[in-house]
Formats: sequence, structure tokens, C-alpha cells
Amino acid sequence: QKEVEQNSGPLSVPEGAIASLNCTYSDRVSQSFFWYRQYSGKSPELIMSIYSNGDKEDGRFTAQLNKASQYVSLLIRDSQPSDSATYLCALVGAGNMLTFGGGTRLMVKP
Amino acid sequence: NAGVMQNPRHLVRRRGQEARLRCSPMKGHSHVYWYRQLPEEGLKFMVYLQKENIIDESGMPKERFSAEFPKEGPSILRIQQVVRGDSAAYFCASSPRTPITNNEQFFGPGTRLTVL
Repeated sequence: QKEVEQNSGPLSVPEGAIASLNCTYSDRVSQSFFWYRQYSGKSPELIMSIYSNGDKEDGRFTAQLNKASQYVSLLIRDSQPSDSATYLCALVGAGNMLTFGGGTRLMVKP
Repeated sequence: NAGVMQNPRHLVRRRGQEARLRCSPMKGHSHVYWYRQLPEEGLKFMVYLQKENIIDESGMPKERFSAEFPKEGPSILRIQQVVRGDSAAYFCASSPRTPITNNEQFFGPGTRLTVL
């Protein structure tokens, strides 16, 4: 079982809709969770971090964490074509390194 | 406020040559991490360094790969006797501190290594 699992997609949503990206993890020790956005040929860009159960909102982005279910999600409201990218879920477990999921490719169609 | 800097951005080497990748962390950051992204694959941790110390190298191949972060100057990832399978994007990230919680890591633009 992979440590961090994501549906590879592509997830296709129309412009203006809500995009919902999901991630499950296996390491119960993990305390810190992150969402990165990566455009093709570019480096990962940190867009959200979440450490406590519940929701965290930042602009059009909402991260949700449920440690009991070992589940992290990212909601993108009012999706724009510029949101089209691969979204990487990551966590910090033992040690300080990030463990990444394989990423979900999001396509927002005009 | 400059971000994480990496150079070169693109590096072409022939099989058997050496590759040296450099990373300067963000100002105020003392923790450096190297990750590798193979074509069509996810990001994988390689090594974690602080100044003059390798903290965790559990993700780095035992042979041909080495990393350092000297007291002065950038962190360097060195690959000796490169093979075609080393072709990948190598990303450096930095963070300001431990502990484990709230440890946001910021990535540099990466070095794309191509081995001919």
C-alpha cells in the first residue's frame, strides 16, 4: 500500500465549478499535510498547509483534514482554466521529509 | 526576497560523466531537501541536510550519489558516472526550521538533467 494515495485523474470540471481533490494516507503518525500545485515542466508550488482536523480556507481554496479517517481533501471554488495543473498531496511523517502522492491532474474547461 | 535558487536549470551529460547540481536556500532557511522526479512519476525524497550535516539520506542511492551543504556556499548534489536512468528533474526545497509540525518547504525551479 502506498503511503499517500491520490486518483491520478484527469479530473475534468467546467469553468466556475467546484473541483474536489482527495488524498488518503496510511501513516497515522503524520501531523502536517500540504497541497502543492505543479504546472507541467515547473516546480511544485505550495498552496495550502493544514495541521488540525477540520477545514482551512484561503481564498478560493479550502483544505479539509480528517485524521481519524486518514483523509485530506482540497476544494477549489470557482475553478478557472489557470487552475489546470497537477495537484500533489504531501505529508510529513517520521523525519522532516515530504512524502508525496502521485498527484491528480485537474483540467478546467472554459 | 529571493526564493530557492537552483543552477543550472538544464544540464546535459554523457554517460559516465559527473553532474553537479547546486541549491541556495531561501534567506533565513537552514534546512535543505533534495527530491527527484523521474519522467511521469511522483516526487521522491532523496536527502535532508543542514549546514555541514547530513540529517537523513535514506532516499539517496547508495552508489554514485552524494550531497553536501557546506558552512559557506550552496548545497550540492553530485552524481558520479551518470547513467541514462539518472535523467530526471531534481528539485531542492528549503524550510526555516524543525520541528516536524508546521514545516513548510518551498521548492526551487529544479534542474533538469538529461543523460545522453
